[in-house]
Amino acid sequence: AQKVTQAQTEISVVEKEDVTLDCVYETRDTTYYLFWYKQPPSGELVFLIRRNSFDEQNEISGRYSWNFQKSTSSFNFTITASQVVDSAVYFCALSENNNAGKSTFGDGTTLTVKP
Amino acid sequence: DTEVTQTPKHLVMGMTNKKSLKCEQHMGHRAMYWYKQKAKKPPELMFVYSYEKLSINESVPSRFSPECPNSSLLNLHLHALQPEDSALYLCASSQVLAGDSGDTQYFGPGTRLTVL
Repeated sequence: AQKVTQAQTEISVVEKEDVTLDCVYETRDTTYYLFWYKQPPSGELVFLIRRNSFDEQNEISGRYSWNFQKSTSSFNFTITASQVVDSAVYFCALSENNNAGKSTFGDGTTLTVKP
Repeated sequence: DTEVTQTPKHLVMGMTNKKSLKCEQHMGHRAMYWYKQKAKKPPELMFVYSYEKLSINESVPSRFSPECPNSSLLNLHLHALQPEDSALYLCASSQVLAGDSGDTQYFGPGTRLTVL
């Protein structure tokens, strides 16, 4: 069974601080995919990144970076120099190759960036 | 263009009403999804269509009836709903159900449904 844990329910930071959102996953499949989505107050889930289980390279996109470590089953997300517009709920999700179409979402982390 | 549109944005209905939610995408995606999301919770998968055929039904009550009239459209017909069905209903699409990066789901803005 697949499972995603986002232990941080809420995080509050001041603008320009760096912040890391944790994601730990469980799966028995050897081929799987990990995602991060952002959900601002408007409600739409915005796709941020997809990683497959064979690609452990870290990725950087502007102020966003992701650290994928299979050894600890973690896929953490760091925002550098946070901004007020980063305030949102962030979801980590897992999709198994043998369970196509069924993504398991973590409970989400609510990030508040204060000016 | 990675846009999924949903109408209406808001819907208020009584328990005896019949209404429909509509979702549309023009990205050529062949998989489409309905999710239900309660406040402060993650999205819960309801239905998945692949190539216009129902592929997954997550044991959703029959008062929710999905329909995929063509590859761009996905409807959710609602009938005899309960107040606990009030939620944000999200539609998503992906190129295909699985494989490479084609399984990335792109979400619409959702329909906020209130059942009185």
